[in-house]
Amino acid sequence: DGGITQSPKYLFRKEGQNVTLSCEQNLNHDAMYWYRQDPGQGLRLIYYSQIVNDFQKGDIAEGYSVSREKKESFPLTVTSAQKNPTAFYLCASCNRYRSGNTIYFGEGSWLTVV
Amino acid sequence: RKEVEQDPGPFNVPEGATVAFNCTYSNSASQSFFWYRQDCRKEPKLLMSVYSSGNEDGRFTAQLNRASQYISLLIRDSKLSDSATYLCVVTVNYGQNFVFGPGTRLSVLP
Repeated sequence: DGGITQSPKYLFRKEGQNVTLSCEQNLNHDAMYWYRQDPGQGLRLIYYSQIVNDFQKGDIAEGYSVSREKKESFPLTVTSAQKNPTAFYLCASCNRYRSGNTIYFGEGSWLTVV
Repeated sequence: RKEVEQDPGPFNVPEGATVAFNCTYSNSASQSFFWYRQDCRKEPKLLMSVYSSGNEDGRFTAQLNRASQYISLLIRDSKLSDSATYLCVVTVNYGQNFVFGPGTRLSVLP
């Protein structure tokens, strides 16, 4: 089945460590996104990519990094510079060439700093 | 002012009730509009797109008023399974970006 796969689903990180969250999609979508959601809060955009080898910062990019070497993959690294990384991270994709396109999400990754 | 604002909620309603959610957006150049549903500790999922002429999908009706920059969602005959957070979503930047409202939580009570 086509979809978006995020891994790991649960991740614990020690302070000062970098961690990388994986996101893979087989929907043939050009655009991919990373959002962060804190408890009881809305989604905030971290980074997005409209095409391979190109990406842009979202509203809260500080302390995060991404790469887009393949169309299918858009991994997110949470660096030690991110002071409050505990959150629910959602990867998404959409077909930006389709009129009225909608955005589809992976199941999310829960990151906890211990 | 936030780009997308929603009723703060939570809404607690009995089964069978009709409930309406409101959403306003600030960017007049917004192109597309959606309602998403998010269950607790799960990812958001598309509920329905919102068209200028209004659209209906079973018990759900969505309306868009571009002049007032206002979107609504009406749920009739609420079911226990409708309990979730409802997110209003608009696209900006020529459809490249999706902006999410903070969501309105609905609890349907037996």
